[in-house]
Amino acid sequence: GENVEQHPSTLSVQEGDSAVIKCTYSDSASNYFPWYKQELGKGPQLIIDIRSNVGEKKDQRIAVTLNKTAKHFSLHITETQPEDSAVYFCAASQGAGSYQLTFGKGTKLSVIP
Amino acid sequence: ETGVTQTPRHLVMGMTNKKSLKCEQHLGHNAMYWYKQSAKKPLELMFVYSLEERVENNSVPSRFSPECPNSSHLFLHLHTLQPEDSALYLCASSQDYPGTGAGRTQYFGPGTRLTVL
Repeated sequence: GENVEQHPSTLSVQEGDSAVIKCTYSDSASNYFPWYKQELGKGPQLIIDIRSNVGEKKDQRIAVTLNKTAKHFSLHITETQPEDSAVYFCAASQGAGSYQLTFGKGTKLSVIP
Repeated sequence: ETGVTQTPRHLVMGMTNKKSLKCEQHLGHNAMYWYKQSAKKPLELMFVYSLEERVENNSVPSRFSPECPNSSHLFLHLHTLQPEDSALYLCASSQDYPGTGAGRTQYFGPGTRLTVL
């Protein structure tokens, strides 16, 4: 089955700096890669996703890049703000066979004002 | 945030109790999921229902029993739990399962924090 590794487990940045979270996956058949943000006391919320026919996707201060050859994808947050502080999860899903989302262990991001 | 609701938000139960978790989605979706979230571990998929039929069961112990009476409601019945079952239980829904494109996006509820004494 799929295995997703996520790094780092914790990340502290100064407000205004950029944050990068990286994930690797094991199954070359995976073709859907969402990122979720989970704030304290809440469920995960989708912030951006990318499909395997796209190498990069951007939404305001958030961007995701995908390298299918190397089987890794990354989340980039620019101009970080205190409200970006949360736990971020990456996930991977296949397009055939098992459609389940396999999640990484999460990255706790702290943005220091 | 209000698209998927879960009750109760917190639950404390003894090992011999029977309780149920409830999930309701107001998004008109056809698929619903139960996940278990434990500290320092990835989210673990427990069950998937599509059009009220169970389509995935990830080797979950029988002390967890799901029920999906219609496409908007999902229950997780609990009995004879163990302390290691203490966790945050998350419900999610998506337009379809497996789905394509935006139909695969899963929307999560706030979770039920379960403590088993």
